[in-house]
Amino acid sequence: EADIYQTPRYLVIGTGKKITLECSQTMGHDKMYWYQQDPGMELHLIHYSYGVNSTEKGDLSSESTVSRIRTEHFPLTLESARPSHTSQYLCASSGRQGRGYTFGSGTRLTVV
Amino acid sequence: AQSVTQPDIHITVSEGASLELRCNYSYGATPYLFWYVQSPGQGLQLLLKYFSGDTLVQGIKGFEAEFKRSQSSFNLRKPSVHWSDAAEYFCAVGVMHYGGSQGNLIFGKGTKLSVKP
Repeated sequence: EADIYQTPRYLVIGTGKKITLECSQTMGHDKMYWYQQDPGMELHLIHYSYGVNSTEKGDLSSESTVSRIRTEHFPLTLESARPSHTSQYLCASSGRQGRGYTFGSGTRLTVV
Repeated sequence: AQSVTQPDIHITVSEGASLELRCNYSYGATPYLFWYVQSPGQGLQLLLKYFSGDTLVQGIKGFEAEFKRSQSSFNLRKPSVHWSDAAEYFCAVGVMHYGGSQGNLIFGKGTKLSVKP
């Protein structure tokens, strides 16, 4: 049973639309992460959070924004989707030191 | 700066053959080391991890990895590959910050494993 949930699993949306990708975890983890990954390619960290009201940009510049109002919830928002945003978005969380990350199943976003 | 290198982009092995995926890291102290597997269209699943102690680590699905400090390596092995092992494999290194908190994981670029019948 998954402890970290991403919705939707797949999303096809038109250019210019605002979208929010949801990520929730039930493990009480303080740290949460968003990665962008093109099919078969490497992971790019775009946002992370070390706790409530804490958000940081990752290594890859992204036009998306995130919020962390509750420990368990870390949504990612694109104000105006573009075809260049077509990708897979992976959410992850981590708790006690050294345990590694738990990943969600991902959201495959296609902007047409 | 810390880094992780997976030298092999794509490896093809025959079903039943042995497998070794290479991972080298760059870090001044002893890192935490991880191997993840990703099936197409899915998230990453943790295969195994090394924190300290025994340098040979057993994981799920019959995988093991050996930490070799002198070579800065953490290679993943499996004695007999199954067709279901075809996937993308990512090595990652975690570092400890002053005060004991874990920093962000650094991932390699991945190795794609194909399995021939």
